[in-house]
Amino acid sequence: QQQVKQSPQSLIVQKGGIPIINCAYENTAFDYFPWYQQFPGKGPALLIAIRPDVSEKKEGRFTISFNKSAKQFSLHIMDSQPGDSATYFCAATNSGYSTLTFGKGTMLLVSP
Amino acid sequence: GAGVSQSPRYKVAKRGQDVALRCDPISGHVSLFWYQQALGQGPEFLTYFQNEAQLDKSGLPSDRFFAERPEGSVSTLKIQRTQQEDSAVYLCASSLRRGGDTQYFGPGTRLTVL
Repeated sequence: QQQVKQSPQSLIVQKGGIPIINCAYENTAFDYFPWYQQFPGKGPALLIAIRPDVSEKKEGRFTISFNKSAKQFSLHIMDSQPGDSATYFCAATNSGYSTLTFGKGTMLLVSP
Repeated sequence: GAGVSQSPRYKVAKRGQDVALRCDPISGHVSLFWYQQALGQGPEFLTYFQNEAQLDKSGLPSDRFFAERPEGSVSTLKIQRTQQEDSAVYLCASSLRRGGDTQYFGPGTRLTVL
């Protein structure tokens, strides 16, 4: 049972482009939605997170858009750089519970 | 400050061997999590500790998997009689408080079972 569905599986953009990664969830009890960035051989690192009381959150070049009624959220990376090439995971949790449910990941390649 | 550390970073085991994977969380972090990440997949929850208490072990795939955190700090994940399907990266994460707090991940232990 996959509670968080992530797409696309992989994505190639040119430097300066705006990759968009989408996630959909099923469990309406989820109330905290983080995005993690993972480089090869490293553990996931928190990038940005959102709670459902807001529809958008920006931190630097990273933006989360959240649609509570559709149970969907997405990550936008503005002015993408080759150093952004990594695997990105969306996740969700019930903050009263703690454990994270992850999507399957999106491998992003930003070409120079 | 120091992040979450895990050892060993790589472990090769013959099928049937027992292995022990260690996690050193960030000092003072109350919560500790173990996740399993198969190749090309997202991490999947295994078990959760709050201090020394194991509050959730619903993700452990079989009774061959056992985790402990006896003093509420370092944790060990033990896998008995390893099988090929156990091959994965085992990630440890810790968070300062309980419930909905940012989880900080270690680099993982890559286990290969031959």
